[in-house]
Amino acid sequence: DQQVKQNSPSLSVQEGRISILNCDYTNSMFDYFLWYKKYPAEGPTFLISISSIKDKNEDGRFTVFLNKSAKHLSLHIVPSQPGDSAVYFCAASPYSGGGADGLTFGKGTHLIIQP
Amino acid sequence: DTEVTQTPKHLVMGMTNKKSLKCEQHMGHRAMYWYKQKAKKPPELMFVYSYEKLSINESVPSRFSPECPNSSLLNLHLHALQPEDSALYLCASSQERNMNTEAFFGQGTRLTVV
Repeated sequence: DQQVKQNSPSLSVQEGRISILNCDYTNSMFDYFLWYKKYPAEGPTFLISISSIKDKNEDGRFTVFLNKSAKHLSLHIVPSQPGDSAVYFCAASPYSGGGADGLTFGKGTHLIIQP
Repeated sequence: DTEVTQTPKHLVMGMTNKKSLKCEQHMGHRAMYWYKQKAKKPPELMFVYSYEKLSINESVPSRFSPECPNSSLLNLHLHALQPEDSALYLCASSQERNMNTEAFFGQGTRLTVV
């Protein structure tokens, strides 16, 4: 049973437009959520995180929104750039921190930015 | 320095071989992790070390043997692996377990068992 779901295996967005990646979770014990970006043949790179006590966190072009009642979070990238093309993993942790042992990952969404 | 360095990047080994994967970080992180990632699947936790002590072993077969010689190094010793163990092995570190800080991942070792 997947506790973290990314229902879109891939997403294609035009350069300059907004990319919206979605993630749903089922475990109400999750307290901290992270997004990782992964290029082929590389390890995941931390992108942005959000604690369950917040509903929004912004870092430059990246914004993560959390809707606890809907058990849904989304990552917005504005404006999308060619270098954003990668696989994006949503991850959740039951701990108030983000240490890696409690992380449950989604299956990832492959974001393709088209020129 | 926010890097987690893994060596080798690629490894091909036979089922009777013994090999080791290495991971190093110099960020002063006291928690280190091994993950396994199969193609088109999310990373799966294998082991967690906290202050050089094994904290979590996620029911990993004994043919995988972790070792943490010091706070900067994490090894994964491999022996008598099976072809289905072929995967990307990722090392990660974080400041401490369960703290409000992200985990940093290495580039991974692409392992092929023949």
